[in-house]
Amino acid sequence: SAVISQKPSRDICQRGTSLTIQCQVDSQVTMMFWYRQQPGQSLTLIATANQGSEATYESGFVIDKFPISRPNLTFSTLTVSNMSPEDSSIYLCSAQRDSSNTGELFFGEGSRLTVL
Amino acid sequence: GDSVTQMEGPVTLSEEAFLTINCTYTATGYPSLFWYVQYPGEGLQLLLKATKADDKGSNKGFEATYRKETTSFHLEKGSVQVSDSAVYFCALRGNDYKLSFGAGTTVTVRA
Repeated sequence: SAVISQKPSRDICQRGTSLTIQCQVDSQVTMMFWYRQQPGQSLTLIATANQGSEATYESGFVIDKFPISRPNLTFSTLTVSNMSPEDSSIYLCSAQRDSSNTGELFFGEGSRLTVL
Repeated sequence: GDSVTQMEGPVTLSEEAFLTINCTYTATGYPSLFWYVQYPGEGLQLLLKATKADDKGSNKGFEATYRKETTSFHLEKGSVQVSDSAVYFCALRGNDYKLSFGAGTTVTVRA
């Protein structure tokens, strides 16, 4: 298994500000992803965090709003920029050891952001 | 694109009742199928998986069979406990490695 730690676990933010969420995995992983879980809804993939190169974003998500870094095989950050109340969500980091589509995806406990 | 349709909740059951949560999918190729569970106050964790047709995934008394002919992966448990109260997510992973989730089903088991 892989243990994923996210910081902060929760925060209350002011409109117009930006917040960076950190994700640390306890061992090297091949793939890392960022998801959003809006209140009462399912998980939506924001982007795939690529080590050493720009993240791959899903439709509806852009780099200017959600810049992502992945400097090595165990760490990634997601920034939520210029926040509005609509950005209030749980943001989850996930990781997989191998690059197959059958492998288990591990999740952090999430970062709950409330934007006022 | 790939998608998952999951039975909507919430579902409320008594202890020892039988639980079924329906899940159907749409995908090209041969996806892998998963059930994830989110217990209150905890992170998402894998419950079981199946990677090819007719595979049966099982864990903690839960089972689900990958049915290609009906494009389904229904979750079942014969006798639920209060500790099974959680949100259950059906998920699909295609060749692009992205995990697509269903809407989630909240299950509450009463003593």
